[in-house]
Amino acid sequence: DQQVKQNSPSLSVQEGRISILNCDYTNSMFDYFLWYKKYPAEGPTFLISISSIKDKNEDGRFTVFLNKSAKHLSLHIVPSQPGDSAVYFCAASSNSNYQLIWGAGTKLIIKP
Amino acid sequence: KAGVTQTPRYLIKTRGQQVTLSCSPISGHRSVSWYQQTPGQGLQFLFEYFSETQRNKGNFPGRFSGRQFSNSRSEMNVSTLELGDSALYLCASSSLAGPGANVLTFGAGSRLTVL
Repeated sequence: DQQVKQNSPSLSVQEGRISILNCDYTNSMFDYFLWYKKYPAEGPTFLISISSIKDKNEDGRFTVFLNKSAKHLSLHIVPSQPGDSAVYFCAASSNSNYQLIWGAGTKLIIKP
Repeated sequence: KAGVTQTPRYLIKTRGQQVTLSCSPISGHRSVSWYQQTPGQGLQFLFEYFSETQRNKGNFPGRFSGRQFSNSRSEMNVSTLELGDSALYLCASSSLAGPGANVLTFGAGSRLTVL
């Protein structure tokens, strides 16, 4: 039972354009959603999070949008840079259980 | 401040052996989680310890075990290794003790190869 789904295994985007990474979830009890970025041979690093009471959170080039009615969130990266090439993981948790539930990840490739 | 430290970074074992991996969390972090990542797979949750107690456990067989010491350092052990246990094992620490976004800080991982 996959509660958090990232349906695109990979995404290729031209440098300078917008990258949009998507994530769907099934559990309406999730209170927080987080995005992590992972380079090969390294551990994931935290990028940005959003609380379920908000619909948008922005941090520099990164913006996360949450659509609770559709149980969908997306990460926008503008403008995309070569260093953004990595695997991006979406994760979610609830206040009743701190355990993060992870998506399978989307590999983002930024083309020069 | 120092990040999450995992040792060893790389190791090779043979089937049937056992292995112990170590994780030193960020100073002051009392929660330590362990994950397994295999090629093409996302992060599979193994278990989480908080103040020396296992607080959450994933769906892994009993061959996978862990513990946390009073200084928050943690170890995980895999006994009777199988080829399928070859993976990157990631440790993450967190200061979260109550409701809130559980932001994990990960170590670089221990790459285990089982021959």
